[in-house]
Amino acid sequence: GQQLNQSPQSMFIQEGEDVSMNCTSSSIFNTWLWYKQDPGEGPVLLIALYKAGELTSNGRLTAQFGITRKDSFLNISASIPSDVGIYFCAGPAYSGAGSYQLTFGKGTKLSVIP
Amino acid sequence: DGGITQSPKYLFRKEGQNVTLSCEQNLNHDAMYWYRQDPGQGLRLIYYSQIVNDFQKGDIAEGYSVSREKKESFPLTVTSAQKNPTAFYLCASSIGQGQPQHFGDGTRLSIL
Repeated sequence: GQQLNQSPQSMFIQEGEDVSMNCTSSSIFNTWLWYKQDPGEGPVLLIALYKAGELTSNGRLTAQFGITRKDSFLNISASIPSDVGIYFCAGPAYSGAGSYQLTFGKGTKLSVIP
Repeated sequence: DGGITQSPKYLFRKEGQNVTLSCEQNLNHDAMYWYRQDPGQGLRLIYYSQIVNDFQKGDIAEGYSVSREKKESFPLTVTSAQKNPTAFYLCASSIGQGQPQHFGDGTRLSIL
């Protein structure tokens, strides 16, 4: 099936630094979603993107829907300790018989050093 | 508040025992899902249901079973046939297939 490749797999940054991560696919997506999972909790939807080229912000988070529709980027500005967690990208992939299934990347694990 | 409730938060299973994980949602969503997450891994789909009384196998359904008798409820049974059940289990729901999913807080299953 279709796969989403996230990079980097993990990153350690100093508090206050900006963070950038991305997600790529070999196929075109019509929607890109970004989730954050805190340790021991379920993922929470951060940002949803529905249009190529779209740039959407949620506080210190900014996500972009790539023009090619095969990638998306998530940036976090001025990181703080509570940004720690795993960030997942997701998008609806065609699963046959006219239906779509949400496909998830393997995540980027973010650690913030105070 | 609307949301998804998973219970229990922690569950212990003895060898050869079946255990059932609960998932309830009051979001009026048609679709529900079960995922398994292992340390350092992404989400792997176990089963999903698009509508009441219907469900489909995901990528790793062996050793698991589900039922969808009510729209709000989608319990997952981890059977004794699942040889490596220790993992974090996440339930999710969405308005429809391919739509953004909302997740519960997970159940951590361990083997005694």
